Amino acid sequence: GQNIDQPTEMTATEGAIVQINCTYQTSGFNGLFWYQQHAGEAPTFLSYNVLDGLEEKGRFSSFLSRSKGYSYLLLKELQMKDSASYLCAVAGYQKVTFGIGTKLQVIP
Amino acid sequence: NAGVTQTPKFQVLKTGQSMTLQCAQDMNHEYMSWYRQDPGMGLRLIHYSVGAGITDQGEVPNGYNVSRSTTEDFPLRLLSAAPSQTSVYFCATRPGQGVGNTIYFGEGSWLTVV
Repeated sequence: GQNIDQPTEMTATEGAIVQINCTYQTSGFNGLFWYQQHAGEAPTFLSYNVLDGLEEKGRFSSFLSRSKGYSYLLLKELQMKDSASYLCAVAGYQKVTFGIGTKLQVIP
Repeated sequence: NAGVTQTPKFQVLKTGQSMTLQCAQDMNHEYMSWYRQDPGMGLRLIHYSVGAGITDQGEVPNGYNVSRSTTEDFPLRLLSAAPSQTSVYFCATRPGQGVGNTIYFGEGSWLTVV
């Protein structure tokens, strides 16, 4: 099975950088996703990591260490619209399991 | 390109009623899943399918039934609705193992059981 841990809530200031961590324990690993979800909406894709290292995409970067069962999502130059929940998800052999999500509040 | 179409968006049911949430995709994806999302619980997998004619249980399958007669459609049936099934339901698809790995979500179905 899968066990995924991420903080429940975080607060950060507009213009700052925030790092959201995700740790996982899994019996099979085929990649790790990060999704953004605004209240009342469906999740939207941010990143997918299958190999170790950092992948950068604009203001968002995602890091993976398979040996440590660890990932983080880095958000730079925070904007108010980044206030949302950020979901870490692990792909196993056939299933994708989601963490409970980290609710990020960006304050002025 | 419609992507993932999920209906209805909102539904109120009485305890004991049955209903079907519809999910259709036009991307020829092999993998389709149903999740429910409750406050503080995250997205929990109900049932999933890795291809037409193949379904399997996820983390919280009790009270739900699925079938996958075609690649495009993956309906979720509530057999006898209970208040504990009040939730937001998301249908999700992805191409398949090792074939591009973005998960696409439907817009969600808000279900209330009274």
